Amino acid sequence: DGGITQSPKYLFRKEGQNVTLSCEQNLNHDAMYWYRQDPGQGLRLIYYSQIVNDFQKGDIAEGYSVSREKKESFPLTVTSAQKNPTAFYLCASSRDRTLKADQPQHFGDGTRLSIL
Amino acid sequence: SQQGEEDPQALSIQEGENATMNCSYKTSINNLQWYRQNSGRGLVHLILIRSNEREKHSGRLRVTLDTSKKSSSLLITASRAADTASYFCATGGDDKIIFGKGTRLHILP
Repeated sequence: DGGITQSPKYLFRKEGQNVTLSCEQNLNHDAMYWYRQDPGQGLRLIYYSQIVNDFQKGDIAEGYSVSREKKESFPLTVTSAQKNPTAFYLCASSRDRTLKADQPQHFGDGTRLSIL
Repeated sequence: SQQGEEDPQALSIQEGENATMNCSYKTSINNLQWYRQNSGRGLVHLILIRSNEREKHSGRLRVTLDTSKKSSSLLITASRAADTASYFCATGGDDKIIFGKGTRLHILP
């Protein structure tokens, strides 16, 4: 079955440490996205990518970095500069870039990041 | 500022009843989507309605859009226990997609 796989499901970060969240899709979608979800809040866009080797900052990119070396993969690094990283991180993809909400986004099951 | 705002924040109904939740937004949009999120899982796309459409149906779901009032509603008919989840609207305007904070729906047995 096609879909999006996020790993790990749970992740713990120590002070001053960078951690990387994995996102892989086999839907052959061009666009991929990273969102952050805090309790009782909506999703906030961190980064998005339209095509390989291209990505754009979203609303809350500070303290995060991404790469898009392969169409299938869009890893997110939470750097030590992100002072409040505890959240639920969701990766999504769509056939094309869709900041107009004109296509469905397909989501993974998230990674929950906590601070040790 | 947040574009989509769902109302109510939480809703509990008896199984078999209908559930209605609303989404209001501030600026003009091109499209509006509704998503469902089960606890600890990712979002699942339910339905998309374009700005020139007024109503769409999908199974037990009915979505309306009133662009003059900048609002949309999601109706789930004949609710089931499996409908227990959070429901989010997402609005798409000029190069920006924004998700609301969601309505938590709890179906009581």
